[in-house]
Amino acid sequence: DSGVTQTPKHLITATGQRVTLRCSPRSGDLSVYWYQQSLDQGLQFLIQYYNGEERAKGNILERFSAQQFPDLHSELNLSSLELGDSALYFCASSVEALAGEQYFGPGTRLTVT
Amino acid sequence: ILNVEQSPQSLHVQEGDSTNFTCSFPSSNFYALHWYRWETAKSPEALFVMTLNGDEKKKGRISATLNTKEGYSYLYIKGSQPEDSATYLCASANNAGNMLTFGGGTRLMVKP
Repeated sequence: DSGVTQTPKHLITATGQRVTLRCSPRSGDLSVYWYQQSLDQGLQFLIQYYNGEERAKGNILERFSAQQFPDLHSELNLSSLELGDSALYFCASSVEALAGEQYFGPGTRLTVT
Repeated sequence: ILNVEQSPQSLHVQEGDSTNFTCSFPSSNFYALHWYRWETAKSPEALFVMTLNGDEKKKGRISATLNTKEGYSYLYIKGSQPEDSATYLCASANNAGNMLTFGGGTRLMVKP
């Protein structure tokens, strides 16, 4: 158990809908990262927050947004969902802003039908 | 954009065999190289983070080396055990240090 929690574990929704994925980092970690794992692709970095502020942005679609709250939990919002958004979404956390060891949560499996 | 490649894609070994696999990454603007172990139905687990050329790290039977000048890292497993069966991922951090680009992984299967 890495200490990072993600909810929900599974999510099934229809095209066009909007969902929110939630992540709580390990106690003491200030950085949160979001990754997407699609069937035919490796882990893709989406976005990083550090202590409430956005620090780095990867291949994140405009339909997706994230934020980190004062209690350091983070939410990833996915809107106007398409079939291709079906994937495993991981959240990871680390102590600092720079890429030291990252601790991954169990992931949220999103299925868009 | 960093291209991180791992080889082989998959590997079958017998229990007790030693094995190694490769991660190659662009050497320009290098910041750090990460190795993760990812068991089926679980989440990736950090093994090593290496930053210096010539760095060598060890955790039990697993060790890794780093060559930042030529852009490669090796992961070694000595005396493989069935519980070592997993996908091993490497990731290179950009020069700001915060964005990881992952390779496709090497899937290791150890037969008892």
